[in-house]
Amino acid sequence: DAKTTQPTSMDCAEGRAANLPCNHSTISGNEYVYWYRQIHSQGPQYIIHGLKNNETNEMASLIITEDRKSSTLILPHATLRDTAVYYCIVSGTTSGTYKYIFGTGTRLKVLA
Amino acid sequence: DAGITQSPRYKITETGRQVTLMCHQTWSHSYMFWYRQDLGHGLRLIYYSAAADITDKGEVPDGYVVSRSKTENFPLTLESATRSQTSVYFCASGHGTYEQYFGPGTRLTVT
Repeated sequence: DAKTTQPTSMDCAEGRAANLPCNHSTISGNEYVYWYRQIHSQGPQYIIHGLKNNETNEMASLIITEDRKSSTLILPHATLRDTAVYYCIVSGTTSGTYKYIFGTGTRLKVLA
Repeated sequence: DAGITQSPRYKITETGRQVTLMCHQTWSHSYMFWYRQDLGHGLRLIYYSAAADITDKGEVPDGYVVSRSKTENFPLTLESATRSQTSVYFCASGHGTYEQYFGPGTRLTVT
């Protein structure tokens, strides 16, 4: 199963871009990269996902390297409300069984 | 209002008791999921369901039972609760496995 490695914590100044890295060197061809975040003890919130092309939505951009072994989530203009734990997940179906494994994530603190 | 709800939000039970956590969604999503979250861990998938009457194990299914007779409901039962099952339980739903919408969670304490 593909696993992910993320830094434990990061700080970002309010208004600046937050770049959150994720390593997933064992990702296989049919596995997607997903990003979620969890604010306080709320349920996680979906942010974005991608397979191999870069993706952008109203919340963030996802940059996946050409070899797909790593990715970066970009919050273009971080606000205090973006303070949260961000999870990078690699998921797909292996032998007909669905895998969706959250790691311990990156605790992002946006500073005023 | 449309959404995903969990009940109860807080539960204290004793070791050996059976307890059922409820999850209800109004989006008619075909997929539903149960996760647990323990201090120091990310979320771990317990069970998931691709449709009514179709369920499958996740990463940590032991000690749990699920059923899905209706699309909108996905109850999780701990048949004989143990202290190691003290956790926060999150239910989620989605049209597929791609984008999951999570409920507010149930904080379960087993004494």
